[in-house]
Parts: sequence; C-alpha cells; structure tokens
Amino acid sequence: RKEVEQDPGPFNVPEGATVAFNCTYSNSASQSFFWYRQDCRKEPKLLMSVYSSGNEDGRFTAQLNRASQYISLLIRDSKLSDSATYLCVVSAGNMLTFGGGTRLMVKP
Amino acid sequence: NAGVTQTPKFRILKIGQSMTLQCAQDMNHNYMYWYRQDPGMGLKLIYYSVGAGITDKGEVPNGYNVSRSTTEDFPLRLELAAPSQTSVYFCASTPRGLAGFQETQYFGPGTRLLVL
Repeated sequence: RKEVEQDPGPFNVPEGATVAFNCTYSNSASQSFFWYRQDCRKEPKLLMSVYSSGNEDGRFTAQLNRASQYISLLIRDSKLSDSATYLCVVSAGNMLTFGGGTRLMVKP
Repeated sequence: NAGVTQTPKFRILKIGQSMTLQCAQDMNHNYMYWYRQDPGMGLKLIYYSVGAGITDKGEVPNGYNVSRSTTEDFPLRLELAAPSQTSVYFCASTPRGLAGFQETQYFGPGTRLLVL
C-alpha cells in the first residue's frame, strides 16, 4: 500500500464547477498535512496547509480526518488557471511523503 | 532573494558518467532536501540535511551522494549514471524541520536528467 494515495485523474470540469479531491495516508503518526500545486514541468508550490479543524483560503477548502486518515481539497468556482496537478503531502519527523498527484483540467 | 536555485536546467548523460547537480539557497534555511520525480509520480526523497555538515538518507538514496559544507549549498552527486536515474530532480529548503511545524517547503525549478 502506498503511504499517500491519490486518484491520478484527470478530473475534467467546466469553468465555475466545484471539484473535490481526496487523499489517504497510511502513517497514523503523521503530524502535518499540505496541498501543493504543481504546474506542468514546474516545481511544486504550497497551496495550503491543512489543519485539524479544517481551513479555507478563498475558493479552496481543506479538511483533515485523522480517524479515517484522509485529507480533502475542495475547489469552488473553478477557473481555467486552476488547471494543474494537486499533490497531497504528509509529514512525519523531518520528511515529507508526497502522493502521486491528481490532475485537474478546467475547460471553458 | 533568489530563493532556491538549481543548475543545470537540463542534462543528458551517458551510462556510467558522473555529474553533480548544484543547489543553492539564499534564505539562510537550515534544512535542505533532494527529491526525484518520475513521470506521473510523486516526489521521492533522496537525501536531506538538517544543517552544515549533517546529511541523512531518504527513501531512495542508492546511486547518489551528497555533502553540505555550507548552509547555502547542497550538491547532489551521481557517480555512475544509470537509465533508472532519468528523472526530474528538485532541491528544496525549509527554515527548520517539519516535525510538528506547518512549514512551507521552497523548491528550486528542477533539473531534468536524461541518462542514455
């Protein structure tokens, strides 16, 4: 079983749609959780951290369920510029474990 | 600040050749990391360093070596290139360790390596 699993997609959605990604992790000792965004042939960049109580940043909402060991990302009112790969990232100690990413394509 | 810089951007190696991938950061970050990303896959940690003179293995260290003589630089060495090392290599840094901290990892732009 992979340590961090994501549906690779692609998720093809029209502009304005709401889309949700899930991610599961296997290490119950994981301490910190993140969503990174990676554009084609570019480096990953932090989208948002994920807090136990859930958190929102504009059109993006992240949720963490420690009991079930999954993390979610909800994107509302999708924009063309949201097209990218979204990486679920989990940390324990001094290391990050990356999921394989979920590819999102927003169409006009 | 330039952030995290990596050179070269792209390199083709023949099997058995060696090379050093350079990584530098000007943010005075203590922690630095090397990752590789294969097509369609997540990043895998090769080596990391918690400060000058201290390095440790990550998930996939075989075939690589690192050194950290200064806070700023963290080069990655490939001694005998193999086709399995064809990948995109990312260097990253954080101000301090991620244990219990919600720290952002700052990535360099990557080095694309092709081993033929």
